[in-house]
Amino acid sequence: QVLLVQSGAEVKKPGSSVKVSCKTSGGDFNSYAINWVRQAPGQGLEWVGRIIPLLGSASLAQKFQGRVTITADMSTSTAYMELTTLKSEDTAVFFCARGEALDIWGQGTMVTVSS
Amino acid sequence: TAVTQEPAFSVSPGGTVTLTCGLSSGSVSSTYYPSWYQQTPGQAPRTLIYSTNIRSSGVPDRFSGSILGNKAALTITGAQADDESDYYCLLDMGSGNYVFGSGTRVTVL
Repeated sequence: QVLLVQSGAEVKKPGSSVKVSCKTSGGDFNSYAINWVRQAPGQGLEWVGRIIPLLGSASLAQKFQGRVTITADMSTSTAYMELTTLKSEDTAVFFCARGEALDIWGQGTMVTVSS
Repeated sequence: TAVTQEPAFSVSPGGTVTLTCGLSSGSVSSTYYPSWYQQTPGQAPRTLIYSTNIRSSGVPDRFSGSILGNKAALTITGAQADDESDYYCLLDMGSGNYVFGSGTRVTVL
């Protein structure tokens, strides 16, 4: 059974950065895309970007280009999403999800940006 | 280009409801590989349908996906109380870019 386990909740100051991890267990990591999805409180889902670990390069939604970096470490089957220059509006739950169909989801990581 | 969904739908228990997923400019076809996700408050989304009409593992056959006219569609046949959720579509816009719809809240009553 494939599981995606994300890192724990974060509280950050405006202007700082956050790095969220997503570890795959029980299945292939290298060949499947890992997508990142943001959900602000009370709002809908927003696709942030994705990476296919074997290919290495990430694609990002236009609004996140320049502020988000997505990486993958094949030695630990872990993907990372780093968001910089945090603003209060970045307060959200971040999910990782595997594959073209986003068929397996992590549990979500709450990121709170507050002074 | 925005991905559009109805804000809300109400369906009676045992009834049928069809949610749609369109584009603010243009038509949705199977080349957008539409997928559908169900989410209840506080939970991670659950994948229902991918590649237009393929049910994800364990999803009951009362959920079906299709293309209706110029939109993707999710039909719930024989709605049950626990189908009360938010439903999101996702479109593959090409070049590694994806966009979620704004979501539809379905109430079963």
